[in-house]
Amino acid sequence: GESVGLHLPTLSVQEGDNSIINCAYSNSASDYFIWYKQESGKGPQFIIDIRSNMDKRQGQRVTVLLNKTVKHLSLQIAATQPGDSAVYFCAENRGSGYSTLTFGKGTMLLVSP
Amino acid sequence: EPEVTQTPSHQVTQMGQEVILRCVPISNHLYFYWYRQILGQKVEFLVSFYNNEISEKSEIFDDQFSVERPDGSNFTLKIRSTKLEDSAMYFCASSEALREGNIQYFGAGTRLSVL
Repeated sequence: GESVGLHLPTLSVQEGDNSIINCAYSNSASDYFIWYKQESGKGPQFIIDIRSNMDKRQGQRVTVLLNKTVKHLSLQIAATQPGDSAVYFCAENRGSGYSTLTFGKGTMLLVSP
Repeated sequence: EPEVTQTPSHQVTQMGQEVILRCVPISNHLYFYWYRQILGQKVEFLVSFYNNEISEKSEIFDDQFSVERPDGSNFTLKIRSTKLEDSAMYFCASSEALREGNIQYFGAGTRLSVL
C-alpha cells in the first residue's frame, strides 16, 4: 500500500554536528514533499519543501535531498543546535488536484549541548 | 507572521457527547484541512475543504464527523457522538492553493480527551 515511513525513530547528536534524517516513500505518483518540525505541544511547522522535478533544495541550515529512483527523501541540518530538538516528519502530496498530505511516522531529534 | 489559530487548546468531554473544535485559518488562504494525531502516532489526514464543500476525506472521517465554515473566518470540526478512540490532537491547517507547492500551515492543535 501507499506509505511514507522513516528509518530511524530517534537520532541523538551533539550540538554543532550535522544531522541527517531519512524518509522512504512508496507512492510513485507523489510529486511534492514537505518536511515538518513538531516541537512538544505544538503543531507541525513547515521547514522546507521539494518538488519531484528537483533532487536538492537548500534553505537556511537545512537541505532536502530527493532520490526518486529509490523513493528516498532526506533532511540535512547543518550545525545542529539544541533548539532543533523536535520530531521531524516528512509528508508527501500527490500534487495539483490532491490536497491530502500523507505523513511519515516521525523521527525524534535530540541535540545535546 | 500570519498563523492558524485553534480553540480550545484542550477539550475534555464525556463519551457520547458532541464537541466542536474551532479554527481560524490564515486570512487569505482558500483551502482548509483537519488532521488528527493519536498520542505517539503519525499525523493522519481527515478532511479538506474548499469553496464551502468537502474536497477530500479519509476513511476516518465517517458520519460522526462534519465540517463547516459558518462565517468568513472560522472553520469548525464537529464530532457528533464522541468515542474513546477519538481522543487525539486535532490539527487545523490552511493553504493558499492546491497547486504544486501546496504548503499547509498548521495550528497548535486541540487536545481532545474523551472520558
